[in-house]
Amino acid sequence: NAGVMQNPRHLVRRRGQEARLRCSPMKGHSHVYWYRQLPEEGLKFMVYLQKENIIDESGMPKERFSAEFPKEGPSILRIQQVVRGDSAAYFCASSPIGGGEAFFGQGTRLTVV
Amino acid sequence: TQLLEQSPQFLSIQEGENLTVYCNSSSVFSSLQWYRQEPGEGPVLLVTVVTGGEVKKLKRLTFQFGDARKDSSLHITAAQPGDTGLYLCAGPTSGTYKYIFGTGTRLKVLA
Repeated sequence: NAGVMQNPRHLVRRRGQEARLRCSPMKGHSHVYWYRQLPEEGLKFMVYLQKENIIDESGMPKERFSAEFPKEGPSILRIQQVVRGDSAAYFCASSPIGGGEAFFGQGTRLTVV
Repeated sequence: TQLLEQSPQFLSIQEGENLTVYCNSSSVFSSLQWYRQEPGEGPVLLVTVVTGGEVKKLKRLTFQFGDARKDSSLHITAAQPGDTGLYLCAGPTSGTYKYIFGTGTRLKVLA
């Protein structure tokens, strides 16, 4: 049973470009969470999605950031017009039910130059 | 707002010593999870505690959930360099069940 898959592992974008981060949850998991982690810091909640629905986006910046989890395919975290401050590790986790154990992917490290 | 506070924030100890890491909240959680994260990797789930007063053991690691389900502790016996990492507690909030994380404890075990 494959774990949570995130790609790409590393992503370099120039200021003003768009970044698309993908997350394929574990098989049978319909709940996805996105987190952001700065160096030497903990994980900050961004958004919680269930298939085709955003359940909680209270941690997501109001501008430039969006997330989706379509009926088919991976969950996507999209950052438009990236700035240097967006540089961070972005982690995705999945669980089979809301509030159930969450399992993490290996993250995407975004560097904005 | 539900928050999870961990202490200590940093811990550097010698191999063979014992240590305890704490995770505290003013809110009740239906469950708490403990994760360990190594540099460049995602957090790895160690254990889930669900019942107030519950104690779970994982080799040299002992996890306890407070009776009121507002706090948890992780005790490591005879720490080894391989235990080095960032230890995180996490739990689902009431309402939307989003997972929030504690502030983290960065452990370094010296050989």
